[in-house]
Amino acid sequence: EPEVTQTPSHQVTQMGQEVILRCVPISNHLYFYWYRQILGQKVEFLVSFYNNEISEKSEIFDDQFSVERPDGSNFTLKIRSTKLEDSAMYFCASSEALGGWEQYFGPGTRLTVT
Amino acid sequence: GQNIDQPTEMTATEGAIVQINCTYQTSGFNGLFWYQQHAGEAPTFLSYNVLDGLEEKGRFSSFLSRSKGYSYLLLKELQMKDSASYLCARRDRGSTLGRLYFGRGTQLTVWP
Repeated sequence: EPEVTQTPSHQVTQMGQEVILRCVPISNHLYFYWYRQILGQKVEFLVSFYNNEISEKSEIFDDQFSVERPDGSNFTLKIRSTKLEDSAMYFCASSEALGGWEQYFGPGTRLTVT
Repeated sequence: GQNIDQPTEMTATEGAIVQINCTYQTSGFNGLFWYQQHAGEAPTFLSYNVLDGLEEKGRFSSFLSRSKGYSYLLLKELQMKDSASYLCARRDRGSTLGRLYFGRGTQLTVWP
């Protein structure tokens, strides 16, 4: 069964460093998302992406965040200058249908900022 | 408001039935979703409701009342592997790609 994959599974970085989290959505999906989950807290939406453009972003997704689809398969989230509070599990998701009735989540990247 | 409320924890025994409630507030409702999340893993889609009523999928059923801002997830014939966090999530009109607002999740523990 097709699935969303993410790399790395765990990333440790120092405060102020840049990180790039990578995702490979399901191949026939056209709509992509990033969510994050701080330990013990709820899953929070960051951004949605379609046709090489951001469709919607939350208040969390400030200027230090960016997303890109550099080729036909990868979807990346870049955090330019990490802060301690960016430590979280970052989930990529994709959906096939407009409106995304079912969003398929990847296994996540655990980001630890020290 | 964008509140989604669900109980923090529930316990039940193997073979039993459990109902996990969720209430929400929104001015532009466009769907209520239930996800299962095992510790340290990704959320897995269980069901969604757009219209009032009951949707059944095997051992899982979900109910929605839009006028009450209320949904529940019903799990029958509980198994140990059903021990997980169950996330209620809302989608609003005006979100083209279906941004989801999640609740904090209900941690269900199934005892033998």
